[in-house]
Amino acid sequence: EVQLLESGGGLVQPGGSLRLSCASSGFTFSNFALAWVRQGPGKGLEWVSAISGSGGSKYYIDSVKGRFIISRDNSKNTVYLQMNSLRAEDTAVYYCAKDRSDSTGYYPNWGQGTLVTVSS
Amino acid sequence: VMTQSPATLSVSPGERATLSCRASQSVSDNLAWYQQKPGQAPRLLIYGPSTRATGTPDRFSGSGSGTEFTLTISSLQSEDSAVYYCQQYDSWPLWTFGPGTKVEIK
Repeated sequence: EVQLLESGGGLVQPGGSLRLSCASSGFTFSNFALAWVRQGPGKGLEWVSAISGSGGSKYYIDSVKGRFIISRDNSKNTVYLQMNSLRAEDTAVYYCAKDRSDSTGYYPNWGQGTLVTVSS
Repeated sequence: VMTQSPATLSVSPGERATLSCRASQSVSDNLAWYQQKPGQAPRLLIYGPSTRATGTPDRFSGSGSGTEFTLTISSLQSEDSAVYYCQQYDSWPLWTFGPGTKVEIK
């Protein structure tokens, strides 16, 4: 059974940093792209970032480029999202999602989410 | 840009619900639908855009191509009350979701 477990969320001041983690199990980790999708309070879903199975390709939505860094450790079956220079508009539940393959683009499996609150 | 209509749909149990999703440019067949209930993560329902994901009841069906897509719930059940999102995965690698349609049970 595929399992994705996010952690690392919390309250941070504007301009601060957080690192989210997504520990995975139940599949051959390096064969699949993974993504981070967020949902602001009362809002819809927003794809934020994705990383290929090897980690060699990384993609970001424009609003987080230069501030967020996605990475993965295939030996630990874990994907990370380093979030720097956080803004109030980054406040959201952040979901980790597993692609159907290494480059399909839709997500059959999701974690339960971790809440990031950016506020002073 | 993805748009969805209506924003809210109120349907009686057993009736048909029809949800629309429109892309500002062609996304070919690269369209998925998700269901999200309050406090839960999204759940993939349909992709491709008419293939049911594992575990999706057959009362859910998807159709369309290019810029116009439809999700149909043939006989609405109480457990179908949720927000439904479409997502295009054609514009590699920048995927986008629609704003969602909330389905309410009348």
